[in-house]
Amino acid sequence: GIQVEQSPPDLILQEGANSTLRCNFSDSVNNLQWFHQNPWGQLINLFYIPSGTKQNGRLSATTVATERYSLLYISSSQTTDSGVYFCAVASGNTPLVFGKGTRLSVIA
Amino acid sequence: SQTIHQWPATLVQPVGSPLSLECTVEGTSNPNLYWYRQAAGRGLQLLFYSVGIGQISSEVPQNLSASRPQDRQFILSSKKLLLSDSGFYLCACIWRTEAFFGQGTRLTVV
Repeated sequence: GIQVEQSPPDLILQEGANSTLRCNFSDSVNNLQWFHQNPWGQLINLFYIPSGTKQNGRLSATTVATERYSLLYISSSQTTDSGVYFCAVASGNTPLVFGKGTRLSVIA
Repeated sequence: SQTIHQWPATLVQPVGSPLSLECTVEGTSNPNLYWYRQAAGRGLQLLFYSVGIGQISSEVPQNLSASRPQDRQFILSSKKLLLSDSGFYLCACIWRTEAFFGQGTRLTVV
């Protein structure tokens, strides 16, 4: 099956800093999503982005499908951005396969 | 938009006891439904998925089973819990390619 690798596994930022999270996947996909899991465990859908670039406020994402990677950018980070960020991919009608996540801690 | 109801939020069960976790979906019909488990706060492992009533696919052989008695209801069960069944269980619905999650059930087997 598809393998998903996320980097870095852990990241500590000062409030106001920018960061880039990476997701590599092993096969072509037709579905790629980024999620944020808050400290209470709730998973929030950030982007559906199998290709191209999207922006939502301080967050943006880019997927280069031909090179099998996606990037999530967080600008001017805030303490509320803390949590775990997951990348998940699927090919055809297969279920979403998740990476192990990047744990982000933003300190004031 | 879709709303995923999952309960209970937390559960402490003794080893050997049965389990039933319920997930219901509002806002869509004929959704694809999924059960994931997250252990040690990292990584989601797909347990079961269902594309319709009575249709269950199992990804990992284990002590758990799933059923879909109604279009918008997905149940995760066990006849006898093991310590290794502890974890955070998440129900998900995929609608028009986007995934939506319930709030999860934190299960501790003691």
